Amino acid sequence: DAGITQSPRYKITETGRQVTLMCHQTWSHSYMFWYRQDLGHGLRLIYYSAAADITDKGEVPDGYVVSRSKTENFPLTLESATRSQTSVYFCASHRDSHGGTDTQYFGPGTRLTVL
Amino acid sequence: GENVEQHPSTLSVQEGDSAVIKCTYSDSASNYFPWYKQELGKRPQLIIDIRSNVGEKKDQRIAVTLNKTAKHFSLHITETQPEDSAVYFCAAKREKLTFGTGTRLTIIP
Repeated sequence: DAGITQSPRYKITETGRQVTLMCHQTWSHSYMFWYRQDLGHGLRLIYYSAAADITDKGEVPDGYVVSRSKTENFPLTLESATRSQTSVYFCASHRDSHGGTDTQYFGPGTRLTVL
Repeated sequence: GENVEQHPSTLSVQEGDSAVIKCTYSDSASNYFPWYKQELGKRPQLIIDIRSNVGEKKDQRIAVTLNKTAKHFSLHITETQPEDSAVYFCAAKREKLTFGTGTRLTIIP
């Protein structure tokens, strides 16, 4: 589990501000994911990436931007934060599932509050 | 896309009794079904998983069953202990994981 980290762990911001959440993994996993967790909704996929420079939308991508210039990093940016983006954000990763395990490992999470 | 429904949303069980959580999925092409446990304030952690070519898998007190025809799978926890209290999530995967909405399991001492 120590192989995937998130920063910051807690963040309070104001409506309209830009916020970037960082995710770093040391396993050289191909796939990385961003989820948000809200009561009653479980874990919902925001964006994912199959490799460096390849990203794709998930279930709830609106208001978020991602990039993946390096395999180990997958930052998530809220370009203009809204109160509805108050949530706990989890980054996750797994190896290429080609002939390998599909086990997905989660980071410790970032609790974001938008005032 | 895939849709995963999970029941019940809350479950209270006497210590030592068994707990069962059920999930259904919609995409018949889904081929991987993990279960995650999330303790309060912690990250979700994989506890058991099953692939579509297997009907049942067991790991000590935890077992998962899969019925591909009916498109449902279940988590069974036997001889429950206080440390089993947590939120449990099922998920189904075709290309990426889709999670259920979670079950809050409380073990009553």
